[in-house]
Amino acid sequence: GQQVMQIPQYQHVQEGEDFTTYCNSSTTLSNIQWYKQRPGGHPVFLIQLVKSGEVKKQKRLTFQFGEAKKNSSLHITATQTTDVGTYFCAGQNFGNEKLTFGTGTRLTIIP
Amino acid sequence: NAGVTQTPKFQVLKTGQSMTLQCAQDMNHNSMYWYRQDPGMGLRLIYYSASEGTTDKGEVPNGYNVSRLNKREFSLRLESAAPSQTSVYFCASSGGTGWPQHFGDGTRLSIL
Repeated sequence: GQQVMQIPQYQHVQEGEDFTTYCNSSTTLSNIQWYKQRPGGHPVFLIQLVKSGEVKKQKRLTFQFGEAKKNSSLHITATQTTDVGTYFCAGQNFGNEKLTFGTGTRLTIIP
Repeated sequence: NAGVTQTPKFQVLKTGQSMTLQCAQDMNHNSMYWYRQDPGMGLRLIYYSASEGTTDKGEVPNGYNVSRLNKREFSLRLESAAPSQTSVYFCASSGGTGWPQHFGDGTRLSIL
């Protein structure tokens, strides 16, 4: 079955440093979605990428979808304490209702 | 707008007991999902329902049953709870394939 791997599992950064998490799928995806889960909370949708090579930005967050539509990344510039949480990618195959979630990257910020 | 509502928020069961987790959404979404979340393992799909009247197995369906009661409600039943089912359970809904999923606050379930 489809597998979505995400690295690193944990990342500790000083406030103001950058952060990147990477996501790799075993199969070509129709789209990839990114979610953020605050400690004790539920996953919240951030963005969806659909096109090969697509890059989208949300303020300090930059999302990329690989040319082969099998990998993706999320980069946060100049982290803030509000960025704390676990970031999940979730891949969807063509014509498939299901999302396959990565294992997540837990970001902690050292003030 | 409540979004996705899950009940209960917390539950402690003894091994062998049964219970039903309830989920309701008010966004008129066609698709609904049940996930479990365990430390270090992300979200794993238990069952999903692409539309009213249909249900399909996900990645980890064993030990669970579901009912799509109507378009709004999707329940998850544990017939005979086991300690391995201790987890946080999330219900989600979406407009369909390619749409983002909206999650409830989760049910924290402990089985002793």
